[in-house]
Amino acid sequence: KAGVTQTPRYLIKTRGQQVTLSCSPISGHRSVSWYQQTPGQGLQFLFEYFSETQRNKGNFPGRFSGRQFSNSRSEMNVSTLELGDSALYLCASSLEGLAGIYNEQFFGPGTRLTVL
Amino acid sequence: QKEVEQNSGPLSVPEGAIASLNCTYSDRVSQSFFWYRQYSGKSPELIMSIYSNGDKEDGRFTAQLNKASQYVSLLIRDSQPSDSATYLCAVIGNAGGTSYGKLTFGQGTILTVHP
Repeated sequence: KAGVTQTPRYLIKTRGQQVTLSCSPISGHRSVSWYQQTPGQGLQFLFEYFSETQRNKGNFPGRFSGRQFSNSRSEMNVSTLELGDSALYLCASSLEGLAGIYNEQFFGPGTRLTVL
Repeated sequence: QKEVEQNSGPLSVPEGAIASLNCTYSDRVSQSFFWYRQYSGKSPELIMSIYSNGDKEDGRFTAQLNKASQYVSLLIRDSQPSDSATYLCAVIGNAGGTSYGKLTFGQGTILTVHP
């Protein structure tokens, strides 16, 4: 079974630009969660999508948005990039995004975003 | 108080020793508990999940959960240099909408196993 894939793996952007990151979950997984990882803040939850609906959102500004398609693939978008957005962006997939057995989250390799 | 706290590192153990990693959480409705391993420059890799009180063993790894004390631990027996990584404790709640798909992570403990 293929794992979670993310594209692109690396991105360099300048302040003010926008960026779109893509995530393909494990086959059969319907929940996709996005996280931001920085040295100072650690891993922080951005949002979660299930059946094309955002069910949960972390404490990030509205510049961070996402969507999910009918095949469960997900994208996240960051508009008006700031220097502080430089981070590793990780997506993780699970069967249903709930607590309980068989709902473990598996991470993709991440997208390393650098904002200059 | 942080929602998930891990014992401060870094932790250094000799090869063959037992490494003990600890984690406490503040939300009593938390239902599922995970340990992830993250090598430098890589993404987190799930190594253990535990859902009920007691011990769960998988090879050299043992996870322990005590919901009354809100405490989770990971023991790594016969530690190897390849175990050197950051270990992340993660928790997911069972509070409906605010829990969907949301893992809350500790800050991680850096483990170094020296030959």
